[in-house]
Amino acid sequence: EIVLTQSPATLSLSPGGRATLSCRASQSVITYLAWYQQRPGQAPRLLIYDTSNRATGIPARFSGSGSGTDFTLTISSLEPEDSAVYYCQQRSNWPLTFGGGTKVEIK
Amino acid sequence: EVRLVESGGGLVQPGESLRLSCEGSGFTFSSYWMAWVRQAPGKGLVWVASIKQDGSDKYYLDSMKGRFTISRDNAKSSLFLQMNSLTADDTAVYYCARGSPKTNWFDPWGQGTLVTVSS
Repeated sequence: EIVLTQSPATLSLSPGGRATLSCRASQSVITYLAWYQQRPGQAPRLLIYDTSNRATGIPARFSGSGSGTDFTLTISSLEPEDSAVYYCQQRSNWPLTFGGGTKVEIK
Repeated sequence: EVRLVESGGGLVQPGESLRLSCEGSGFTFSSYWMAWVRQAPGKGLVWVASIKQDGSDKYYLDSMKGRFTISRDNAKSSLFLQMNSLTADDTAVYYCARGSPKTNWFDPWGQGTLVTVSS
């Protein structure tokens, strides 16, 4: 099973700030990595797939990069509605796995 | 609008069974992988199972093999999860999620249905 480790656990930033979230895989997932956003009380929403492709309707301030075992989600200019937990997920191998999440707080 | 609506959750006692359903609308259900993902209270996301478009391939998290069965009825645009021998550790919100024709990125997700296993 591929283990995904996300860091930091919590990120507290100001509106307009830049958030950098990390996801590290226990073995290479090539570029088969996605990012999801889960706002409080809501279902998750796909943000980025295949490392760097934004899903439909996702603002350009969200971007993804990386390959192999190290991946990054960047939110370039934080908005209040970006307050959420962010999860990475790999589809390189079964079982599909998620990271433990990074909570982004907008102070 | 693409929509997924889960149903069937509730309170059950340890050892009992439950069958979850998910109805899809706004897309050609038979063209997509489908999946179940769960989230225990205050915890992260855990993939449970996925099923191919025609039901010919099914994948499960090892800890759920033998207890959970994923199935689908394309004529009714519906996905199911049969859960047997439930324990307190199965308490979670269960989300239905659409994959894609060729991959397993989940988009969109249903609103979830809560399963509580308690005596």
